[in-house]
Formats: sequence, structure tokens, C-alpha cells
Amino acid sequence: QKEVEQNSGPLSVPEGAIASLNCTYSDRGSQSFFWYRQYSGKSPELIMSIYSNGDKEDGRFTAQLNKASQYVSLLIRDSQPSDSATYLCARGAGTALIFGKGTTLSVSS
Amino acid sequence: SAVISQKPSRDICQRGTSLTIQCQVDSQVTMMFWYRQQPGQSLTLIATANQGSEATYESGFVIDKFPISRPNLTFSTLTVSNMSPEDSSIYLCSVRDLPGELFFGEGSRLTVL
Repeated sequence: QKEVEQNSGPLSVPEGAIASLNCTYSDRGSQSFFWYRQYSGKSPELIMSIYSNGDKEDGRFTAQLNKASQYVSLLIRDSQPSDSATYLCARGAGTALIFGKGTTLSVSS
Repeated sequence: SAVISQKPSRDICQRGTSLTIQCQVDSQVTMMFWYRQQPGQSLTLIATANQGSEATYESGFVIDKFPISRPNLTFSTLTVSNMSPEDSSIYLCSVRDLPGELFFGEGSRLTVL
């Protein structure tokens, strides 16, 4: 399973700030990318998917994909304490997904 | 998205025993997968559960240790055989309809003593 790399954190931001989460991947053939949020003791829940270069926005979340640089990011605007969780980056690999180790985000009020 | 139910949600087992985890989906899905999440770690794909045929296992996982069944498009089981404390993990059933997203069940938290 080719790697998906994330900084484990923790990433700490104050409430209302922008949180920036980054992910790199090694397989240039990857075509689909996903961000999941996982609260402690819970299963991962999908936040966004992105398939094309550029930005994709959904509410306070923006996913950015740069296939040439093999780089995916997730921006969370107006961060809230409820956004405190582990964020998992994943890439499509055949029919399944390969996950990074996740970045822990802590939003302080 | 599909509703995915797993049983048991948690269990404490003795070394050397086996446990079967069930995954039920409320609609027919093309693909079902089993992932493992060890304490403090990310998700590792164990296998793809193929309907009507043998599961496809990832490197490091074998059928004798993790036998999988998928008799139809809505149901699958994963058995963790001859358990050791190293098998203590959360086991997650997941489903996907290409080219869509992957969704997870609530997970089965297994502790082996």
C-alpha cells in the first residue's frame, strides 16, 4: 500500500481561525482523494471528496488538490471547538481507500 | 448514504478464541471492505469482501487468520481467529459504490486478554 503522509500534529488553532491540514501521497496514478473526520471513540465520517485539480468548497471546508505536486489540503474556516478531532486523508487505490495516519486538530475557545 | 450496522459493538475475548463480527447494510452495495484500526493508529485495509467468492486480502493479512464471508450484497462477516492481545483493535466494515465515497459502520472494538 503506497503511502499517504500526514503530519500527526497536534495542530492547535484558536476559535475563529483557519485550520490548514496537509497531506502528500506517493502514487502519481491516484485520481480520487478524501478527507475524513474522526472523533475519539467514533468511526470516521466523510467530510469531502476531490477528484480534480483546484479547490472544492463545502460550507466552512475547502479541499485543495495539486496532482503535479502530489499534495492535498483541507482548510477549515472559522474553526470551532467542535472541529477538534483527528482528520484523515485518503486516496483511492483500486476499489478501496488508503489512509494516512491522521492529523489531530485542537480548537481552543 | 447507506446505513451500516455492526455487531458486536465491543467485546472482550480470551486469548486463543475466535470472534465473528457481522456487518449489515440497509441497501445493496457493490463493494464491502474490512479495515482495522489499532490503538492510536490509522486505518489499515484487511480485505475486500467479494460477493459469492473468496475475499481479496491485503499484504500481511491471511484467510486463516481473518476468514471473511459475503453471501449477498447487504451482509458480510469477519472472523478474527485464534486471537492474541495484538489483535486488540477496532474493526470497521465499510461500503462503497464507485465512483462514490467510502462509508463506515460504527466499528467493533475488540479487546483480547
